[in-house]
Amino acid sequence: AQSVTQLDSQVPVFEEAPVELRCNYSSSVSVYLFWYVQYPNQGLQLLLKYLSGSTLVKGINGFEAEFNKSQTSFHLRKPSVHISDTAEYFCAKGGATNKLIFGTGTLLAVQP
Amino acid sequence: DTGVSQDPRHKITKRGQNVTFRCDPISEHNRLYWYRQTLGQGPEFLTYFQNEAQLEKSRLLSDRFSAERPKGSFSTLEIQRTEQGDSAMYLCAGRGAESGQYYEQYFGPGTRLTVT
Repeated sequence: AQSVTQLDSQVPVFEEAPVELRCNYSSSVSVYLFWYVQYPNQGLQLLLKYLSGSTLVKGINGFEAEFNKSQTSFHLRKPSVHISDTAEYFCAKGGATNKLIFGTGTLLAVQP
Repeated sequence: DTGVSQDPRHKITKRGQNVTFRCDPISEHNRLYWYRQTLGQGPEFLTYFQNEAQLEKSRLLSDRFSAERPKGSFSTLEIQRTEQGDSAMYLCAGRGAESGQYYEQYFGPGTRLTVT
């Protein structure tokens, strides 16, 4: 079965420090990967996507992610976080019908 | 703002009552998806439409759930005889058919259902 694994349920980090949120996915022929951010009581906002091509993907708000086929990973990174980055982050995989399979989410808690 | 709207934003109902949610995607979204998100979990796929046709339903969508998308525009999700286990955030997402938008899904703000 298709799956997405986010091993870290919560990642605390100090403001201006770098952060990496980990995501691993089940391998398949076609791989479309996404990171979404969800602020409290809101819907999901697309941060970035990997469809094909360059393995380093840049998104909004200074985030980037690297697609690693051999390790079946798509980790999200930001070199310097802000208080406003505090939110839940979801990694997701798209399939043939493009329905999304989501991980369980990682709460990024930025502390001053 | 993704342009996808959902109504109502919050719904509190008593067990056994029926509820209906509405989702309005933007006109370019020929595909429309429904997801359910429970506390501490990622969204789970429920069903999707391509235009007015419902093409796939998850096993999560019991007989008490029904979704429609008449005329391929807005969509409704109805839950009959609600149970406490139905309490969740119900998310709607639209996807365009044009190149560049083909794989991205744009989510609405969600409807939070509380069944008492």
